[in-house]
Formats: sequence, C-alpha cells, structure tokens
Amino acid sequence: EDQVTQSPEALRLQEGESSSLNCSYTVSGLRGLFWYRQDPGKGPEFLFTLYSAGEEKEKERLKATLTKKESFLHITAPKPEDSATYLCAVQAGNAGNMLTFGGGTRLMVKP
Amino acid sequence: KAGVTQTPRYLIKTRGQQVTLSCSPISGHRSVSWYQQTPGQGLQFLFEYFSETQRNKGNFPGRFSGRQFSNSRSEMNVSTLELGDSALYLCASSLSPGSGGNTIYFGEGSWLTVV
Repeated sequence: EDQVTQSPEALRLQEGESSSLNCSYTVSGLRGLFWYRQDPGKGPEFLFTLYSAGEEKEKERLKATLTKKESFLHITAPKPEDSATYLCAVQAGNAGNMLTFGGGTRLMVKP
Repeated sequence: KAGVTQTPRYLIKTRGQQVTLSCSPISGHRSVSWYQQTPGQGLQFLFEYFSETQRNKGNFPGRFSGRQFSNSRSEMNVSTLELGDSALYLCASSLSPGSGGNTIYFGEGSWLTVV
C-alpha cells in the first residue's frame, strides 16, 4: 500500500528564516511526486512534480528535491504570504491519476 | 484559460438526503478525479474517470458514485447522507490518466455540511 508521511505537522518561522519540509514515501513504482500549496478554504494549488531521484525544481522562494525515499521542500527567506498548508502526494505507476496524499505541513511565517 | 470549476461551492443537506456535485475540467482535459478532504482523514481519493469510464476507485462505500459525460464534465453523487460525509469535495483534472509529465490541477472544491 502506498504511504506518504509529512513532517513536521506544523512549522512556525520568522520572516527570512529558511527551513525545509519533509515528505517520506513508499510507493509501488513512483510515476511522480507532487507538491501543492493549500490556503484555508481553497483547493490545492499545484507547485511542482518530480519524477526521478536527483531531480530538483525551483519556483521563487521554493525548491523541491527528490530522493528514492523522500522529498524536501526548501523555503528560502520566507515571507508571511508563504503561510499555508503544503501537501505532498505520490502517483504510482499502475494507478492512473490517483494521488496518495500526506497529512500536510501547516506553515506559519511571522513578520 | 479557465481552471477547474466546481459547483456548488457551499451546500447544507440533511441526514438521509442525497447530493450531486458538479465539476467542469480544464478545457482539453479528459481525466477527472474526485477527492474528499476532512480534518481527520486528510485528502482521500474517491474515483477517477476518463472517456466516460471509471478507471480507479478508492475505499469508499457504494453510497458514493460518479459519472463522466462526453464533454468530460463530471458529477459525483452521495446518497443517504451521513454526518460523517461533511467535507470539502475536490475535483482534479488532467490531460489523461497516468501519462508522464501529466500535471494534475484541483478546483476550489464544494463544501458539504450534513446536519
């Protein structure tokens, strides 16, 4: 059974204080690992898809990396507007577009 | 271009009633998936449709059903509503099931409250 575990559950940072969010996974034949951002009351907003170990992708202050067992979302010099829940999900090779999600990391950035 | 559109955004139903939620995928996308999000269980996969056929189904009771139309629009139905069905129901669309480089986009969701 595919499993995704995100840590920490919640993270409080001061503005400008860089940190990383972790996503550990077990999956039968990884087809893709997805990162989403979700604001309260809204649907998940797509950030990145990673496909193979060693791959990295960046977008503004965010950088996602992938190994064979985990992915990291690095946040450099965060701003208060980066406050949100960050979700990690895996897509298995034999499961169409079904995503298995982790529980998310709730990020709060204080000015 | 327009994103994934879900209607209605908010609704309140009584236990025992049934509800139908609608999803219009991004133009050109033919794969539609549905998820249930609750504070306790997080995001859980309900089912996926492609070319009007159910491709995958999650671990939910038969009260949860869905369908897809020839224009790729999709509906999901929950019959005999229970209090535990209160959740945010999310629709996701993509070009096709499981192909490489296939980005999956979500709508804003439909908030269902069962009283």
